[in-house]
Amino acid sequence: DADVTQTPRNRITKTGKRIMLECSQTKGHDRMYWYRQDPGLGLRLIYYSFDVKDINKGEISDGYSVSRQAQAKFSLSLESAIPNQTALYFCATAFRGDTQYFGPGTRLTVL
Amino acid sequence: QKEVEQNSGPLSVPEGAIASLNCTYSDRGSQSFFWYRQYSGKSPELIMFIYSNGDKEDGRFTAQLNKASQYVSLLIRDSQPSDSATYLCAASPSVGTASKLTFGTGTRLQVTL
Repeated sequence: DADVTQTPRNRITKTGKRIMLECSQTKGHDRMYWYRQDPGLGLRLIYYSFDVKDINKGEISDGYSVSRQAQAKFSLSLESAIPNQTALYFCATAFRGDTQYFGPGTRLTVL
Repeated sequence: QKEVEQNSGPLSVPEGAIASLNCTYSDRGSQSFFWYRQYSGKSPELIMFIYSNGDKEDGRFTAQLNKASQYVSLLIRDSQPSDSATYLCAASPSVGTASKLTFGTGTRLQVTL
């Protein structure tokens, strides 16, 4: 089984819809991150969490919210999706300050 | 201006040659640097990291750091077609840790037969 899983892997939705992307990990890592990747813009940090009670905004948090339900689960929500949120979304995990390991990604299309 | 800059490429090298990938950063507070490889449609995977000036070697890969010039590079010796991917450079404000990374946009490498 994969250490970091993301669901769904692909999602097409319409403008204005609420959508949640989920990330789960079995690595026992304390830190979890959400990034989005756009062509020409690279990976940009949306939110990160160093433990269950710690949530921090990243570079581009507007329009997004997160929930750390447990050490192993970190969800990203788009309350009202818009087309420019179409992107590839990655979850990453790390133990303390060690290497970040990335999940397989979720391709989100907002029509 | 993005804090971590990379030439988008593609950088084309023949099989067996040395590929040289470059990265510059603007924040002098950056302490550690990470190189990730990303195949098309896949997630980034760590190749190596460096936080001391000089060279660090790991198999066919060598990372080079020059903090005075704010320059990081990745050399791939004996390039193989399987090395064809996008290489992401990332900077961290902490020594030896990847707590919060700022990524460049990546350089696409093509290794030709």
